[in-house]
Amino acid sequence: SQQGEEDPQALSIQEGENATMNCSYKTSINNLQWYRQNSGRGLVHLILIRSNEREKHSGRLRVTLDTSKKSSSLLITASRAADTASYFCATDPYMDSNYQLIWGAGTKLIIKP
Amino acid sequence: NAGVTQTPKFQVLKTGQSMTLQCAQDMNHEYMSWYRQDPGMGLRLIHYSVGAGITDQGEVPNGYNVSRSTTEDFPLRLLSAAPSQTSVYFCASSDRGLNTEAFFGQGTRLTVV
Repeated sequence: SQQGEEDPQALSIQEGENATMNCSYKTSINNLQWYRQNSGRGLVHLILIRSNEREKHSGRLRVTLDTSKKSSSLLITASRAADTASYFCATDPYMDSNYQLIWGAGTKLIIKP
Repeated sequence: NAGVTQTPKFQVLKTGQSMTLQCAQDMNHEYMSWYRQDPGMGLRLIHYSVGAGITDQGEVPNGYNVSRSTTEDFPLRLLSAAPSQTSVYFCASSDRGLNTEAFFGQGTRLTVV
């Protein structure tokens, strides 16, 4: 079952613009992670944010977490062609005995030169 | 440092055939997992292991077997391939389970005809 849902499913912007992607989830979580997947490749970890954190930064990436709304957003500033990829959120459900991350279906981001 | 290595990268099987997808990691991670990725869907967990000798089922385990005789290796065996198992398979490992970043292999694209 999928807990995370990314929004939008696809996003196309001009190079240099900012890109914002959202992730909503259903149950309480321990943490939420964002990953990037380039076409035909494995996933690469971007940021992990814990349930008691509200915002984290890594380079041009900014992640926010709103546990009251059960949502997270990933902001990529000053986008580059190399940011073209699919972006996934994954949640670690709180007190889930199945010991597994729950993944969303992803946002496909296209950066136009 | 090789990280997570999956073999083969591509495979075509006939219905009913069996095969083993190999996964090896050189980071001494305890937690390893196998996912499948289908178009328009997030990753779905097949099986996972929290250490050598310990394996458990994920969300979609039917038709697959795993074993974990060493910390490094976590092979996934397809018992009798079916067209529904056509997918891209990813192996991942992490240091401390769901609370840290996961490292992914490059994936195996499997087609069952």
